[in-house]
Amino acid sequence: GEDVEQSLFLSVREGDSSVINCTYTDSSSTYLYWYKQEPGAGLQLLTYIFSNMDMKQDQRLTVLLNKKDKHLSLRIADTQTGDSAIYFCAETQPSGGSYIPTFGRGTSLIVHP
Amino acid sequence: NAGVTQTPKFRVLKTGQSMTLLCAQDMNHEYMYWYRQDPGMGLRLIHYSVGEGTTAKGEVPDGYNVSRLKKQNFLLGLESAAPSQTSVYFCASRLGSGEQYFGPGTRLTVT
Repeated sequence: GEDVEQSLFLSVREGDSSVINCTYTDSSSTYLYWYKQEPGAGLQLLTYIFSNMDMKQDQRLTVLLNKKDKHLSLRIADTQTGDSAIYFCAETQPSGGSYIPTFGRGTSLIVHP
Repeated sequence: NAGVTQTPKFRVLKTGQSMTLLCAQDMNHEYMYWYRQDPGMGLRLIHYSVGEGTTAKGEVPDGYNVSRLKKQNFLLGLESAAPSQTSVYFCASRLGSGEQYFGPGTRLTVT
């Protein structure tokens, strides 16, 4: 089965909050990331959290980590049409020093007026 | 810094043809990765490298070869292209445990 799971789609109204959820299976994950991919472009890091943290806030973005349940979420406050993109959750363990990240399949966020 | 660059941006191949995709980074990163992205499948790791002269297989290595002769370059080769290799290919690099930096992608179509 997948190591990192995300729902595939999320639709929100402009101005509302968006919450994108992710679950992972490897309890030794040390870094958890959220990447954003706009159409026709590569992935760009939005934010990350270390596994010893519960929460991280960065302007409109809030990351929550529930290590017991292996659940990660990304909340985008006051969602704008420019936030429409695919959001990828990723986790990394230092497997022999090679830091191979595992990505979820991505959540397509659609923001409508 | 140009970051991570990929050439070409687009390519159409006939079945059985070969080609090489070039990835270059100017950040002195040790680790480099090749992924393919297909609809609904997310990113799947093809091959990766932890340093100059070393490469390793990822999740979906069959039909691909790689080389890392110089630290800044990571080449992905298709010896005999197949329609199943139609995809968008992304290269990424990272320094250590930090974030990955992605290139803009190469859109490959095999007919």
